Amino acid sequence: GAVVSQHPSRVICKSGTSVKIECRSLDFQATTMFWYRQFPKQSLMLMATSNEGSKATYEQGVEKDKFLINHASLTLSTLTVTSAHPEDSSFYICSARWTSGSGNEQFFGPGTRLTVL
Amino acid sequence: KQEVTQIPAALSVPEGENLVLNCSFTDSAIYNLQWFRQDPGKGLTSLLLIQSSQREQTSGRLNASLDKSSGRSTLYIAASQPGDSATYLCAVGGGDMRFGAGTRLTVKP
Repeated sequence: GAVVSQHPSRVICKSGTSVKIECRSLDFQATTMFWYRQFPKQSLMLMATSNEGSKATYEQGVEKDKFLINHASLTLSTLTVTSAHPEDSSFYICSARWTSGSGNEQFFGPGTRLTVL
Repeated sequence: KQEVTQIPAALSVPEGENLVLNCSFTDSAIYNLQWFRQDPGKGLTSLLLIQSSQREQTSGRLNASLDKSSGRSTLYIAASQPGDSATYLCAVGGGDMRFGAGTRLTVKP
């Protein structure tokens, strides 16, 4: 099946720094990628939808200036958490949609655990 | 906006029992529905994907059904094992994917 990778898998940073998370589709082209956030003992919440070559669409309540998303190629999307604070500590998961496959299936990355001290 | 609900929130069963996890959704205009497993502190493991035109999918001891008209899906786990202990997430695919809150399953030896 299609594989999506994320890097890094885990990051610890100081409050006020910016953190970049990469999401790559390894063996397929993804015109659309999605970013989710999962707080402890909660489900995944969609943060934004990213289409290659255009601006991301953010869900209500997600600050676009704080969570910068770039989808410059068909295999790479990045999420940058700017001026991170402890409340941004979460598990961030990306997914990529294989539009040439059947049923618009999404393939999920393994996640990135962000801890802001 | 699509709302996905999973019942029960938590379930504890003895080993060997057959069990059913429920998922309901509010908007029947979906592309697909997917069941995932998530172990503590880990990412998602895809279990079964049902396309909107399908009624069920089976993989080993797992069977998932989909009734789009009523906005419901069930995940049936046969002969449960302690290794099945995890959180099970239902996700509904439209233009994007919306997740339920999950069912935390514990199978006791």
